[in-house]
Order: sequence, then structure tokens, then C-alpha cells
Amino acid sequence: EADIYQTPRYLVIGTGKKITLECSQTMGHDKMYWYQQDPGMELHLIHYSYGVNSTEKGDLSSESTVSRIRTEHFPLTLESARPSHTSQYLCASSLGAGDTQYFGPGTRLTVL
Amino acid sequence: AQTVTQSQPEMSVQEAETVTLSCTYDTSESDYYLFWYKQPPSRQMILVIRQEAYKQQNATENRFSVNFQKAAKSFSLKISDSQLGDAAMYFCAYRDPSGTYKYIFGTGTRLKVLA
Repeated sequence: EADIYQTPRYLVIGTGKKITLECSQTMGHDKMYWYQQDPGMELHLIHYSYGVNSTEKGDLSSESTVSRIRTEHFPLTLESARPSHTSQYLCASSLGAGDTQYFGPGTRLTVL
Repeated sequence: AQTVTQSQPEMSVQEAETVTLSCTYDTSESDYYLFWYKQPPSRQMILVIRQEAYKQQNATENRFSVNFQKAAKSFSLKISDSQLGDAAMYFCAYRDPSGTYKYIFGTGTRLKVLA
């Protein structure tokens, strides 16, 4: 099992709430990623980071924001959750150019 | 732009039999990496196998092997002696070491293993 953690694993919240999804890795990887995935469907990259203080938006437009203040930590924040944000969010990390991406267990978010 | 195509949304295989999942990709790069990932139901995505494009030899990991055809831009996954635990979504992914650090994923193939 890879050393990448996500909390919470499941979250049910009401519309308009601010939430932060946590992702941490202990492998010293400099590159980290957030994907959005509906159950059994393809992955959509929403944010990625090359290293500390470096973040980029992914291919899928997202109303979320990320920060990378420490190498091991890459939290994702939704300022005002909506039902359209209901999905699974996967965090991943990698080291070198051709290295494997390691995935966290995911956070399944439901916005009512 | 690079793309990855998995043309089989769903496949079924009898336990102990062999199945091949297809993946094609499009790129103008000569050096890159290809991956197969497995995502079991409600469980973590894990790496199945990795191939470096400059290596002509096909990668193998126990019952899993690939057929890498660089000229045809094809990267299929063969699972031998299929087991019930092989049932999962399988994603093909591409990564080139230049430019951005993004991985390009296919849309996935759901594999069912029949007892």
C-alpha cells in the first residue's frame, strides 16, 4: 500500500458549505494531483502541483482551489459546495518523470 | 495533444481463462511511459504494470503482461489465469517526461470475472 492518505473518506454536507478535502503523502513526492471521478467512470484532472508553492489547474474546470505550502500536504477547498460537486475526489502523487502515480483511497463527497 | 483510447467499456472472462484489454494512444513523442492501473470496487487505484517506450521488451508482472506495439501506438494488457479478484476497472495511462507532468488516462474498461 502506498503512503498517501485522504480525509475524510466520506462526507455529506449541505449546499453552500465550505469544505476542505485533505491529502497527505509521506513518500517525499514533489508532484501531486487531484482528480474528480464519478463512480465507475473516467478520471478528470482538476488540479496539480509541481512542488511547494506551485499549483496549476487541470483539464476539467473546477470551482475548487488548492494550496501547496508543504511538500507532503495538498488540500483541496470548495468555498461553496453545490450538488453538482457530488463525486469522488482522488488524490495522487509521483516523483520522477516516468514514475508511477500513487493514489489515495479517495473522498466520496455528497452535497445535498 | 496526447490522447488515450480504451474502446472496450466492459469485458467478461471466465475464471482461469485469459483476457486482453485494449488501449491505443496518440503522441508525437518518441520517449514516454505507459501504465495500466486497476481500481477494484470501492478500493484504492493501484499500478498493475508499467512500460517504458524505449524498451522493446514487453513488461510482465506475474499473470499480467502487455503487448506494446510502438509503431501502432497500441498497449494492450493480457491477464492470464483470471481470478475473481481481478474484477475491477482497468485504466490505461500515458505520461511523457517532457513539458507538463500530467498523466493522460483512458476512459476505463470494466472487467467482470465469471465463476
